[in-house]
Amino acid sequence: DAGVIQSPRHEVTEMGQEVTLRCKPISGHDYLFWYRQTMMRGLELLIYFNNNVPIDDSGMPEDRFSAKMPNASFSTLKIQPSEPRDSAVYFCASSSPPLTEAFFGQGTRLTVV
Amino acid sequence: GDSVTQMEGPVTLSEEACLTINCTYTATGYPSLFWYVQYPGEGLQLLLKATKADDKGSNKGFEATYRKETTSFHLEKGSVQVSDSAVYFCALSLYNQGGKLIFGQGTELSVKP
Repeated sequence: DAGVIQSPRHEVTEMGQEVTLRCKPISGHDYLFWYRQTMMRGLELLIYFNNNVPIDDSGMPEDRFSAKMPNASFSTLKIQPSEPRDSAVYFCASSSPPLTEAFFGQGTRLTVV
Repeated sequence: GDSVTQMEGPVTLSEEACLTINCTYTATGYPSLFWYVQYPGEGLQLLLKATKADDKGSNKGFEATYRKETTSFHLEKGSVQVSDSAVYFCALSLYNQGGKLIFGQGTELSVKP
């Protein structure tokens, strides 16, 4: 398996624009996680899905953030409108119990100017 | 709530020195414990894990033992190499949360030749 695939790897956008980050989990994994990494706050869980259903979105910072998982092989994280403070590395991860660990993608480095 | 605390960095060592990165946790249930490693510009990779008390996880010369009595999972390596330079994250996950991880703040390790 190719692992968790995220796109794009880098995104530079202007404040106010819509940004969409994409993730393809490992085939057969039924949990999908979105994390954000910043220097100030470290790694934060934003939202996670089980069998395409959002289970916990308490980490989503504001209504400007939304995430969807229309099918088992694809998820998006959207920010609209984007702000400079959204600049961070966004990671997607997937897992499949009874395995206890999650497998991470390479991340998307977002810069909002 | 559930949390992970790990030793602050950065840690700078000479090649072949001994490494210990301390990690303690607070959890309401019986967590699985992990060390993830992040090389520059990369995603997080699982380094090792332990799923129950007194288990020892090991990989690439790194070891960590799940100590329930001290709620600790310290990372150790007897002789570090320049290629071990990275950021190390301690994390826990709880049963029935499908691999949802709670991370420590990360410890940056720099190994000099």
